[in-house]
Amino acid sequence: NAGVTQTPKFQVLKTGQSMTLQCAQDMNHEYMSWYRQDPGMGLRLIHYSVGAGITDQGEVPNGYNVSRSTTEDFPLRLLSAAPSQTSVYFCASRLYRVGTYEQYFGPGTRLTVT
Amino acid sequence: DQQVKQNSPSLSVQEGRISILNCDYTNSMFDYFLWYKKYPAEGPTFLISISSIKDKNEDGRFTVFLNKSAKHLSLHIVPSQPGDSAVYFCAASGASSNTGKLIFGQGTTLQVKP
Repeated sequence: NAGVTQTPKFQVLKTGQSMTLQCAQDMNHEYMSWYRQDPGMGLRLIHYSVGAGITDQGEVPNGYNVSRSTTEDFPLRLLSAAPSQTSVYFCASRLYRVGTYEQYFGPGTRLTVT
Repeated sequence: DQQVKQNSPSLSVQEGRISILNCDYTNSMFDYFLWYKKYPAEGPTFLISISSIKDKNEDGRFTVFLNKSAKHLSLHIVPSQPGDSAVYFCAASGASSNTGKLIFGQGTTLQVKP
């Protein structure tokens, strides 16, 4: 199993540009989520999904869109990038079962917005 | 409002000694706690967890202690090894949140000196 994969690894955008961060998992996990990591802030939840067709907002959803058309994929879209979105983005997945909390993380995408 | 706090940004210990990483939380509805380890340029990896019905969980060199009355948990690493040098995040989740969202602390950077 490849686990959780993310592309690209690095990306530089200009303010106002749009892009999609890709995330895929091959573990048949129902639950997928996106986090951003900023210095001194830890990992903050952006959006999550408990299954295909179901998404919801996390702690910091503004400026980001998600959709979940398949179990495997959970892309994160930045519609109009801002310098405040410069961060490292992590995708994670886990089984959606009562009492199951351990999430598996991808390697991350480092995004710089100039 | 930071619901999960790691007040020590960094910790340095000598190889072979004990490392103690601390974490405080404010939400009494949290009932499951996890520790993640993160190396540079990699995603976080799960280390150890504890349910609120327990006060201690041990896995090899790693032990997590939970003090519910103080809303405090700690991770003990004995003996510490240079390979343990990484950023450690604590995370919490609540059963009342049936989506199982994880709330992370800011992280503590551990340096183990040979």
